[in-house]
Order: sequence, then structure tokens, then C-alpha cells
Amino acid sequence: SQKIEQNSEALNIQEGKTATLTCNYTNYSPAYLQWYRQDPGRGPVFLLLIRENEKEKRKERLKVTFDTTLKQSLFHITASQPADSATYLCALDRGGYSGGYQKVTFGTGTKLQVIP
Amino acid sequence: GAGVSQSPSNKVTEKGKDVELRCDPISGHTALYWYRQSLGQGLEFLIYFQGNSAPDKSGLPSDRFSAERTGGSVSTLTIQRTQQEDSAVYLCASSQVGTADSSYNEQFFGPGTRLTVL
Repeated sequence: SQKIEQNSEALNIQEGKTATLTCNYTNYSPAYLQWYRQDPGRGPVFLLLIRENEKEKRKERLKVTFDTTLKQSLFHITASQPADSATYLCALDRGGYSGGYQKVTFGTGTKLQVIP
Repeated sequence: GAGVSQSPSNKVTEKGKDVELRCDPISGHTALYWYRQSLGQGLEFLIYFQGNSAPDKSGLPSDRFSAERTGGSVSTLTIQRTQQEDSAVYLCASSQVGTADSSYNEQFFGPGTRLTVL
């Protein structure tokens, strides 16, 4: 079965620096890799998605890379702000409708703390 | 409302009692997912609905857990004879896709139901 590892449970960085979060997986490469943000007491919120044939995707201060050879995705937040403090989850998405079965598998998340 | 809603937001019950958790997905979303999240843990997949049918129930932890979806909309997750280890936040998500021509499965999550079994 698919196993997903996200780097350290917690990551502390100084405001203004770039935060880099790692998502490693085993087994099959997914069609898509998603990143979500989760604040305490709330459900996850979708941020970005990258397809297996894309190397990099950007959205404002966010950048995601996807290396299917290394089986790894990196999630970067540039010019980090205290408001970026949250737990970030990566999720592997098989995509489509494969044999009546469809599942998105989530990692355990990395808790990011941006220190003013 | 425009988002996914769940009720109740909090539920405290005694061990051995049955509980029902409700999820109202975004209108028009054909796929619906239930997850469980224990304190400090990731999301544990429970069950997935495509319309009213559940092609993937592989995540249900035991036969005490069941779920149904009616009218391609509202879903209820039922836990019978609750145990203390069932205490967690139960999250529901819906997504628009689910057909052979579908693309990615961005999921929209509800706020969750926090279940505490005493």
C-alpha cells in the first residue's frame, strides 16, 4: 500500500525566510499530488495541485515541485509570515475513476510555525 | 450554504452508545469522503461514496462502523457500541469529480465533528 512521509512533525522558521516542506512516498506515483493547509479546529483547505508530468507549479508565494524519480514533492512558502503558521498536508491523488475506486491518501502533515 | 456542513460539531457520548454523524456536501458534488483524524495524527480514510454507492469501504475500522448516502447528497456515518478509541474528529469532504473523464479530486472539507467517548 502507499506510504507517505512528511518531514519533521514540526518546522520553525523566522519570518521572511523560505519554508520548505517535504513529502515522500513509496509505491506508485500518483496522477496528482495535492497540498492542503489545516488550521487548528478546522478541516483542511486545498492550496495547490501538481500533475505527474509537471515539474513545478507556483501560486503567489507558494511553489510546489514534483519529482517522480525521487518520489518526492517539495512545498515552498517564500517570504513567510506568521499567518502562514499552520499544518500542511500533502495528498496523493490517483485521479480519474479507476475501476470504480478512487481515493486520495493524505500524509500526517508538517506543523509550520513562523516566528516574528 | 456554499460549503460542506457537518453536524453535530461536538458529540460526547458514553461507551457502548450508538452515534450518528451527518454530512451535507456541496450541491452537485458526486463524490463524498469520510475521514477520521485523531489528535496529532493525519487523516485516516474511512469510506468513499460515488453517488449513493460506496465503491471503497476499505477504511472502515470495524463492523461497528457503517455509512450511507441518500439522494446523492446527505451522508450519515453511524458508529455502534462506541469505544473510547473511537474518540477523534470525523471529517467529511466532497468533490466534484468521479467520472471516467474526471481530472483531479480537489476535496472540500467540512469543519468536522469532534467525538468524545467517555
